[in-house]
Amino acid sequence: IVMTQSPATLSVSPGERATLSCRASHSVRSDLAWYQQKPGQAPRLLIYGASTRATGIPARFSGSGSGTEFTLTISSLQSEDFAVYYCHQYNNWPLTFGGGTKVEIK
Amino acid sequence: EVQLVESGGGLVQPGGSLRLSCAASGFTFSSYAMSWVRQAPGKGLEWVSVISTSGDNTYYGDSVKGRFTISRDNSENTLYLQMNSLRAEDTAVYYCAKREASSSSYYYMDVWGKGTTVTVSS
Repeated sequence: IVMTQSPATLSVSPGERATLSCRASHSVRSDLAWYQQKPGQAPRLLIYGASTRATGIPARFSGSGSGTEFTLTISSLQSEDFAVYYCHQYNNWPLTFGGGTKVEIK
Repeated sequence: EVQLVESGGGLVQPGGSLRLSCAASGFTFSSYAMSWVRQAPGKGLEWVSVISTSGDNTYYGDSVKGRFTISRDNSENTLYLQMNSLRAEDTAVYYCAKREASSSSYYYMDVWGKGTTVTVSS
């Protein structure tokens, strides 16, 4: 299953809303996770089950969607949120990741 | 605190071998399936392999199938990745990750180690 993320780069001002998209080539039901990765760091789980926030993740992060269309929304960007975000489907083998969306400061 | 610490990375020549380790702590290692994921320099994430709790079931990405072997020692709380016939395109940071069951009974990766770097070059 090919995961396609858009846009590749998103320029956003602090305090603004960011909306990231992820599309699967075939249905993955709700077996979709989102990860945040900062330079030199390991990925950090944000969302699993398409919409469930992982432990300790702030409420400004929300996920939605099912089947083939998914969205990660960051309601009000904080300085620590500028990073690369990956979606990941775990419904089918082989497990696959999207190419990532870089959220940068506008 | 759940912790995963990878080791064993380094510089290896094309065609060579390397064994990566991932030491787990802070959770009952034998109760969780585990994964390896890699990231080439400047690139995205690529799933490499998964192993079941007992080690009886293993899965591999097409790019490493037949060359890499995942294994685990539940008595030592350690995950391994034996990498043979290494190629330049295997150069990457290799992460181990713990798998967790979702409500759908499918498994996502919740905790990741900091990674170990493998460089394949002559």
